[in-house]
Amino acid sequence: RKEVEQDPGPFNVPEGATVAFNCTYSNSASQSFFWYRQDCRKEPKLLMSVYSSGNEDGRFTAQLNRASQYISLLIRDSKLSDSATYLCVVNHSGAGSYQLTFGKGTKLSVIP
Amino acid sequence: NAGVMQNPRHLVRRRGQEARLRCSPMKGHSHVYWYRQLPEEGLKFMVYLQKENIIDESGMPKERFSAEFPKEGPSILRIQQVVRGDSAAYFCASSLRTGENTEAFFGQGTRLTVV
Repeated sequence: RKEVEQDPGPFNVPEGATVAFNCTYSNSASQSFFWYRQDCRKEPKLLMSVYSSGNEDGRFTAQLNRASQYISLLIRDSKLSDSATYLCVVNHSGAGSYQLTFGKGTKLSVIP
Repeated sequence: NAGVMQNPRHLVRRRGQEARLRCSPMKGHSHVYWYRQLPEEGLKFMVYLQKENIIDESGMPKERFSAEFPKEGPSILRIQQVVRGDSAAYFCASSLRTGENTEAFFGQGTRLTVV
């Protein structure tokens, strides 16, 4: 089982639509959770951290279910500029190390 | 405050040559990480360094790859005797600290092509 699994997509949605991405992780000791965004041939950029209580940042809402080891990202009122690959990322620190484990990403295309 | 700087952005090497990738972390950041992204794949952790120390190299291939982060100057990822399979994007990231919810900032990457 892969450490972080995501549906690769692509998700093709019209402008203004609401779209949701899901992610599961295998390491129950994971401590921190993030969604990153990666544009084509660019570096990953942090979109938002994901907290146990769920959190919202404008049109973006992230949820975490530790019992099910499941993370989600909801994007409301999609914009053309939201087109990108969304990376689910988990961290587990241990033995003095700090590693981010990335999913392969879910590709989103927002269509005019 | 400049972000994480990587150079070169693109690097072409013939099989058997050496590749040196450089990374200057964000100002004040002492934690540096290298990741590799193969085509159509996710980012894979390679190594985590602090100044003059390798903390975790569990993701580094056993041969030909090495990394350093000297007291002065950038972090270097070195690949000796490159092979076609080394062709990938290599991203460096840095953070101010480690621990829960620490944000890592990524450089623009070095795209290595082995011909």
